[in-house]
Amino acid sequence: RKEVEQDPGPFNVPEGATVAFNCTYSNSASQSFFWYRQDCRKEPKLLMSVYSSGNEDGRFTAQLNRASQYISLLIRDSKLSDSATYLCVVNQAGTALIFGKGTTLSVSS
Amino acid sequence: NAGVTQTPKFRILKIGQSMTLQCTQDMNHNYMYWYRQDPGMGLKLIYYSVGAGITDKGEVPNGYNVSRSTTEDFPLRLELAAPSQTSVYFCASTSWGDHTGELFFGEGSRLTVL
Repeated sequence: RKEVEQDPGPFNVPEGATVAFNCTYSNSASQSFFWYRQDCRKEPKLLMSVYSSGNEDGRFTAQLNRASQYISLLIRDSKLSDSATYLCVVNQAGTALIFGKGTTLSVSS
Repeated sequence: NAGVTQTPKFRILKIGQSMTLQCTQDMNHNYMYWYRQDPGMGLKLIYYSVGAGITDKGEVPNGYNVSRSTTEDFPLRLELAAPSQTSVYFCASTSWGDHTGELFFGEGSRLTVL
């Protein structure tokens, strides 16, 4: 089982749609969880951290289920500018961040 | 604000050549990382460092070497380049002291080995 697995995608949605991405991780000792965004041929940038109680940042909501080792990202009212690859990232042993392969989102008008 | 600076941005190497990818950060971060990203794939950790004088292997260290003589600099050395090392290389840094875990990335170095 890969350390961090994500929905394969791509997700093609119209503007205004709600879309959800899922991610599972294999190491139950993982401590920190993040969603990063990567635009084409650019470096990844932090979108949001994921907290145990769930957290929201505008149109973006992240959830963590430690028992199931599962992380999700919900994007409401999708915008054209949300088109990107979304990377699920897990911290192991407090030092190295492990990245999933990413899920590509394409929002069309 | 410079952040994380990588050089060169692009490089073409012949099989068997060697080169060093430079990475420097001006944020006084103690943790630094080198990742590679192949087309359509996620980032794979090559090496990381938790402070000057300390380095550790990541998932895919073979064919690479690193050093961390200062807090600011974390160069990645490729010895005997092979076509399998064609990739985009990202250097990143963070300070775990604030527990946000936000990695700051350089713009990437695109390497082609022919």
